Amino acid sequence: NFMLTQPHSVSESVGKTVTISCTPNSGNIASNYVHWYQQRPGSAPITVIFEDNQRPSGVPDRFSGSIDSSSNSASLTISGLMSEDEADYYCQSFGGSIWVFGGGTRLTVL
Amino acid sequence: EVQLLESGGGLVQPGGSLRLSCAASGLTFSSYAMNWVRQAPGKGLEWVATLSGSGGSTYYADSVKGRFTISRDNSKNTLYLQMSSLRGEDTAVYYCAKIPSNGDAGYWGQGTLVNVSS
Repeated sequence: NFMLTQPHSVSESVGKTVTISCTPNSGNIASNYVHWYQQRPGSAPITVIFEDNQRPSGVPDRFSGSIDSSSNSASLTISGLMSEDEADYYCQSFGGSIWVFGGGTRLTVL
Repeated sequence: EVQLLESGGGLVQPGGSLRLSCAASGLTFSSYAMNWVRQAPGKGLEWVATLSGSGGSTYYADSVKGRFTISRDNSKNTLYLQMSSLRGEDTAVYYCAKIPSNGDAGYWGQGTLVNVSS
């Protein structure tokens, strides 16, 4: 079964930059778009990056997405970390005719 | 402004049935595939089912196949999830969602809680 693997948790200080990876267990990450969602406690997910590297209106340009073919992974990078960025982040892609989510990464902003 | 509003959640006994609804506004509902995604308490997001805009194509996660049915009424801009033979592991917040596509960032509802317990 197609799966996406994310680090369980990451932490970084206010003002710094953090990168969250998303790696498939099979296939080429570039074959289908990757989307990224932010979920704060008690709230519904919101899209922060879609179609690999597109940022919805209203999402700060501190958020960026990329695909690295050499490591076959997608990444979400958040620069100039703010306390409000503390949340769970999920990647999502399409594999085997179904949508798949990564297990989620808990971002702690120190 | 796009809004997705889920309803129909609640407490149900194991083996029981429940129907969730998702009322959509602010988008051309019939043009888009729609999805149900769930999140068990303290767990991650799990895709449940997808239905094409016309209603002609359906896709289900193995965990719900044969027990859940996704449907829509485009005249009412409403998506449904009929759930039967419910199990404890189906306990979750159920979200209605339009996944990003074709330059659109997608949308999520606020979710409705389904609690399967005796």
